[in-house]
Amino acid sequence: SAVISQKPSRDICQRGTSLTIQCQVDSQVTMMFWYRQQPGQSLTLIATANQGSEATYESGFVIDKFPISRPNLTFSTLTVSNMSPEDSSIYLCSVVPGSQETQYFGPGTRLLVL
Amino acid sequence: GENVEQHPSTLSVQEGDSAVIKCTYSDSASNYFPWYKQELGKRPQLIIDIRSNVGEKKDQRIAVTLNKTAKHFSLHITETQPEDSAVYFCAALPSGGYNKLIFGAGTRLAVHP
Repeated sequence: SAVISQKPSRDICQRGTSLTIQCQVDSQVTMMFWYRQQPGQSLTLIATANQGSEATYESGFVIDKFPISRPNLTFSTLTVSNMSPEDSSIYLCSVVPGSQETQYFGPGTRLLVL
Repeated sequence: GENVEQHPSTLSVQEGDSAVIKCTYSDSASNYFPWYKQELGKRPQLIIDIRSNVGEKKDQRIAVTLNKTAKHFSLHITETQPEDSAVYFCAALPSGGYNKLIFGAGTRLAVHP
């Protein structure tokens, strides 16, 4: 497996502002993903963070709202831009460490937008 | 695209009983099926997974079965304990899916002492 950390663990933000969430892994990983989990709901994939190139976004998510960076094989950021209360959620990164499919999740960032 | 349905949405059992959660998937080419356990306020944790070339896999009190013909897979927990209380998610990985898992809606399991 991999040791995954996220910063911040939680935050309370004002509407209209932006928050950048960091995901750090203790080893190089093949793939990194960003998910959103709204209260009491399942996991929804936002995008695949591609190393050295633009992220691949899922239907309903756009780069202007959720810009993603992945400068190397151990680190990625997700920014939630121009936030509204509807963005209140848990944001999780996940990684696939090797050639197999096994995917592991970071501890999540709990975001509340007022 | 792939769609995963999970049942039941809530499950309540007495300690020591068995619990079964079922998932169905739509894409017959899906080839990997993990199960995650998420305790309140925690990250989803992988508890068991199965690949399409295997019909059953067991790890202590947890087992997963896969029926490729019927396109369904199930999680079985025996001798349940209060610490098994959590939300459980099944997922499927479509073939050629770039490791993008498709998750079920989740099952909230409550084990009562």
